[in-house]
Amino acid sequence: IQLTQSPSSLSASVGDRVTITCRASQGIRTYLAWYQQKPGKAPKLLISAASTLQSGVPSRFSGSGSGTDFTLTISSLQPEDFATYYCQQLNSYPSGTFGQGTKVEIK
Amino acid sequence: QVQLVQSGPEVKKPGASVRISCKASGITFSTYYMHWVRQAPGEGLAWMGIINPRGGSANYAQRFQGRITLARDTATSTFYMDLSSLNFDDTAVYYCAAVVAGREQQGFDYWGQGSLVTVSS
Repeated sequence: IQLTQSPSSLSASVGDRVTITCRASQGIRTYLAWYQQKPGKAPKLLISAASTLQSGVPSRFSGSGSGTDFTLTISSLQPEDFATYYCQQLNSYPSGTFGQGTKVEIK
Repeated sequence: QVQLVQSGPEVKKPGASVRISCKASGITFSTYYMHWVRQAPGEGLAWMGIINPRGGSANYAQRFQGRITLARDTATSTFYMDLSSLNFDDTAVYYCAAVVAGREQQGFDYWGQGSLVTVSS
């Protein structure tokens, strides 16, 4: 199963609403996770099961979708949100393919 | 709290092997699975394999089959990833990542800090 994220990168300002999409090459139900990775750090799990926010993750993050099309939304971008975001499919667990990543940069 | 502490950076020559360790604490050994993921410089994340600590059984990504071996030491709650026949493309940061039993398809909950392996002649 291949995952395609778009865009590969984006520039946005603090306070902007940001949307990242992840498309699977075949249906994966809701077995999709989203991660945030900052430079030099390990990825951090933000969202599981396509839309379940992990404990401690700010509510400005949300996820939606099922089947092949998924979305990660940041409702109001904060300075600490500038990072690279990855989706991961777990439908074919234990294999867990990742998307290629979306880098969110400061405009 | 859960901590996964990995071994330090390694520099290896082409054709050599490398062993990376990942020591787990703050989590009951029998209640999770351990995955390994790597990230080449400037690249994305690639799943490598998984080991069940209870019986030691492992599954590997096809691209690493024949070169990767995952193991664990139950006495010390330490996991190992061995990668052989290294080439320049194996230069990457290698992560261990724990998944709590019962949450197998929910994502990788806990990550080590990463171990840099550099393959250089």
